[in-house]
Amino acid sequence: EVQLVESGGGLVQPGGSLRLSCAASGFTFSSYWMSWVRQAPGKGLEWVANIKQDGSEKYYVDSVKGRFTISRDNAKNSLYLQMNSLRAEDTAVYYCAKNEGGTFDYWGQGTLVTVSS
Amino acid sequence: EIVLTQSPGTLSLSPGERATLSCRASQSVSSSYLAWYQQKPGQAPRLLIYGASSRATGIPDRFSGSGSGTDFTLTISRLEPEDFAVYYCQQYGSPTWTFGQGTKVEIK
Repeated sequence: EVQLVESGGGLVQPGGSLRLSCAASGFTFSSYWMSWVRQAPGKGLEWVANIKQDGSEKYYVDSVKGRFTISRDNAKNSLYLQMNSLRAEDTAVYYCAKNEGGTFDYWGQGTLVTVSS
Repeated sequence: EIVLTQSPGTLSLSPGERATLSCRASQSVSSSYLAWYQQKPGQAPRLLIYGASSRATGIPDRFSGSGSGTDFTLTISRLEPEDFAVYYCQQYGSPTWTFGQGTKVEIK
């Protein structure tokens, strides 16, 4: 059974940093693209970033370029999102998702990031 | 960036009725790389349709997708009580992926 478990969310001040983690199991992690998707309270879904199987390609939504970094450790079956220079508009539930051909076929339950003073 | 616009914003229907949801892209979505998701309150989204018209594993056949280019449709042939939710389209035809803003299907 595919499982994705996010951790690392919490309350952070504007300008601060946070690192999200996603522990994957139930599939061959190193064989799939992986992504982060976020959802602000009461709002829609927004794709944030994705990363190729070997980490050689990474893409970001414009609003986080230069501030967020996606990475992975295939030996640990883990996905990460380093978030720097956080803003109030980054407040959201952050989902880790497995990609299949560009779709998101499995999702974690999400971790809440709140950026507030 | 490809912008996806979904309509209507809210659809009020009764169980047993047919639901037709629209997703329009600001430019052509290559190879019909368009997906649909269902999200219920407090839950993660669930993949329904990929490649514009292929149902994901375990999705009932009352869900169907169609369209190409810039215009796509999700149809729910007969609404079941568990189908009342928010639906999102997503394109993956470019390196940066985008979602539509969602259509809420509510009980009339």
